[in-house]
Amino acid sequence: DAKTTQPPSMDCAEGRAANLPCNHSTISGNEYVYWYRQIHSQGPQYIIHGLKNNETNEMASLIITEDRKSSTLILPHATLRDTAVYYCIVRVVSGGSNYKLTFGKGTLLTVNP
Amino acid sequence: DAGVTQSPTHLIKTRGQHVTLRCSPISGHKSVSWYQQVLGQGPQFIFQYYEKEERGRGNFPDRFSARQFPNYSSELNVNALLLGDSALYLCASSLAPLQNYGYTFGSGTRLTVV
Repeated sequence: DAKTTQPPSMDCAEGRAANLPCNHSTISGNEYVYWYRQIHSQGPQYIIHGLKNNETNEMASLIITEDRKSSTLILPHATLRDTAVYYCIVRVVSGGSNYKLTFGKGTLLTVNP
Repeated sequence: DAGVTQSPTHLIKTRGQHVTLRCSPISGHKSVSWYQQVLGQGPQFIFQYYEKEERGRGNFPDRFSARQFPNYSSELNVNALLLGDSALYLCASSLAPLQNYGYTFGSGTRLTVV
């Protein structure tokens, strides 16, 4: 699986959009970008994933650059409950050793009142 | 629907002892994965089981073993505990290992080795 690079921490004001960047310059054509978050003392929670098109669900939006070397997770209206560590993960989904998630250290997002 | 259930939630063991951690996946899920998360780090993959067979193993010593039962629940066993085994142990379930969406994690078992 390709390696990802994320800033160690970010701050965001409550009610504003939180934009979390992720660099995955060595991503392969069959690797998806996944985002999970982990609120203190809980297990990781799946947020969203995508291959090359932008994706949106009830939690967030995922913007992947055209060359697929980086992506941005957008929380449109951050709340205090969004304070968590956010992990960007790249993995192959079909075939190969796609059974595991390789977590880095992630980005600690702190949403301030 | 119940989520992924792990037991116990907290555990304190002495060096050299053995520990068994348990996980019940979401109803209908046939795949269970185990992860270890030490303080300040992201979770690290230990094992994945599907239909009672081991489908993947991370870079952990043979002191770590696991199994999956006919009802798809799973146990993680760690022998000869070391201080460095102190961590949050997470279980994740999925319908199958090749699915194209996310795993569901439990809240974990906090193991402290003293």
